Amino acid sequence: EAGVAQSPRYKIIEKRQSVAFWCNPISGHATLYWYQQILGQGPKLLIQFQNNGVVDDSQLPKDRFSAERLKGVDSTLKIQPAKLEDSAVYLCASSLVQGPPDTQYFGPGTRLTVL
Amino acid sequence: AQSVTQLDSQVPVFEEAPVELRCNYSSSVSVYLFWYVQYPNQGLQLLLKYLSGSTLVKGINGFEAEFNKSQTSFHLRKPSVHISDTAEYFCAVSAYGGATNKLIFGTGTLLAVQP
Repeated sequence: EAGVAQSPRYKIIEKRQSVAFWCNPISGHATLYWYQQILGQGPKLLIQFQNNGVVDDSQLPKDRFSAERLKGVDSTLKIQPAKLEDSAVYLCASSLVQGPPDTQYFGPGTRLTVL
Repeated sequence: AQSVTQLDSQVPVFEEAPVELRCNYSSSVSVYLFWYVQYPNQGLQLLLKYLSGSTLVKGINGFEAEFNKSQTSFHLRKPSVHISDTAEYFCAVSAYGGATNKLIFGTGTLLAVQP
């Protein structure tokens, strides 16, 4: 079974530029998550999708971050414009169903460096 | 709201020695508890989880954890570590009966196994 795929693996941009990350969850998984992991901290949930609907985006900085999952499968997370403090690893995860305690399976992450 | 505390940012240990990684949590509701491992440049992988029932949970790679409700702890143990166990370990909780599957992570403990 293929795992969660993410691309790119690494990205370096200048502040105020825009960037987009892509995630393809495990086949059949209805729930998709985006986490932000800043160096030295644990991952923090940015947004959770159930199929193509948003379940929780309470910690997404909506003035600069956006995410979509148009067909209920893959998803894109965008940052525009980027700030220095956005430097982090962005992890995508998926689970079969929405409710706890279903196991979340994580992708390898995208490491973003904002200069 | 829930929070997770991992007091030890780094735990050095010699190969074949036992190890305990500490995790304490705070929550006003019942929680599910998880331990994830993150190898360098990889995503998070589930080690084990406590949902209900027996307070001693066994996971992959010889790890086990014990849920202690009175002390609000979920410490991770392994009787004999290997060099390959060197990684970052994250404790996480999610709310029982919650509407989402949101994981709240601790800041992580780096297990450094020395020969």
